[in-house]
Amino acid sequence: EDKVVQSPLSLVVHEGDTVTLNCSYEVTNFRSLLWYKQEKKAPTFLFMLTSSGIEKKSGRLSSILDKKELFSILNITATQTGDSAVYLCAVGKDDKIIFGKGTRLHILP
Amino acid sequence: EPEVTQTPSHQVTQMGQEVILRCVPISNHLYFYWYRQILGQKVEFLVSFYNNEISEKSEIFDDQFSVERPDGSNFTLKIRSTKLEDSAMYFCASSVRGRGDGTQYFGPGTRLLVL
Repeated sequence: EDKVVQSPLSLVVHEGDTVTLNCSYEVTNFRSLLWYKQEKKAPTFLFMLTSSGIEKKSGRLSSILDKKELFSILNITATQTGDSAVYLCAVGKDDKIIFGKGTRLHILP
Repeated sequence: EPEVTQTPSHQVTQMGQEVILRCVPISNHLYFYWYRQILGQKVEFLVSFYNNEISEKSEIFDDQFSVERPDGSNFTLKIRSTKLEDSAMYFCASSVRGRGDGTQYFGPGTRLLVL
C-alpha cells in the first residue's frame, strides 16, 4: 500500500527560528513529490520535485528530494508568524496525488 | 493569476438528498480532479478526469458519485444520495499535465455538511 509519512506531526517554534519538515514515502510508480501549504482552506502549491539532489528555493523556503532514500525535506528559515499553517507533502503517481497527514507548524511571535 | 474556483463554498443537505458541487478549472488545464478532506484527516483522492472520461478513481468513488464536464468550463461532482459520512471539504484541482507530472492547483473547496 502506498504511504506518505510526515514528521513531526506538529511543531511550535519562535519567530526567527529555522525549521525542517520531513517527508518519507513508499509509493509505486513515483512521478513527483510536492509540497503544499494549507492555511484555512485549499492547499496552495509550494514546490514540485522530480530529481534527486536538486534544491528548489522560493524566498525563505527550500526543499530537496532524495529518491534513493525516499524522502524529502522542507526548510523554512527566519520563520514569521505568517508561516503558521499545515504543510502537506504529497506524491504524484498515475493520475492522482497521495497526501501525507501534514505537519502543523505554529510560529510564536 | 488564474485560479480554480468552486461553488458553493458551503452546502448543508439532508441525508439521502442529491448534491452537485461545481468547479471551474484553470482555463488551459486539461486534467481535472476531485479530492475530499474529512475534518481532521488527510486529503484523499476521489477521481481524475481527462478527455471527457474518468482516468482513475479511488475506492471511495462508488456508484453514488459521478463527475461531468457539462460545458467547456465547468466540472461537477454529483453525490446521488448523501450519507452522513460524506460530510467533508471537497476540493477540485486541475493541472496542465497528468500522470503525476503536472502540478495540481486546488480550488478553495466546498464544505459539505450532511444532516
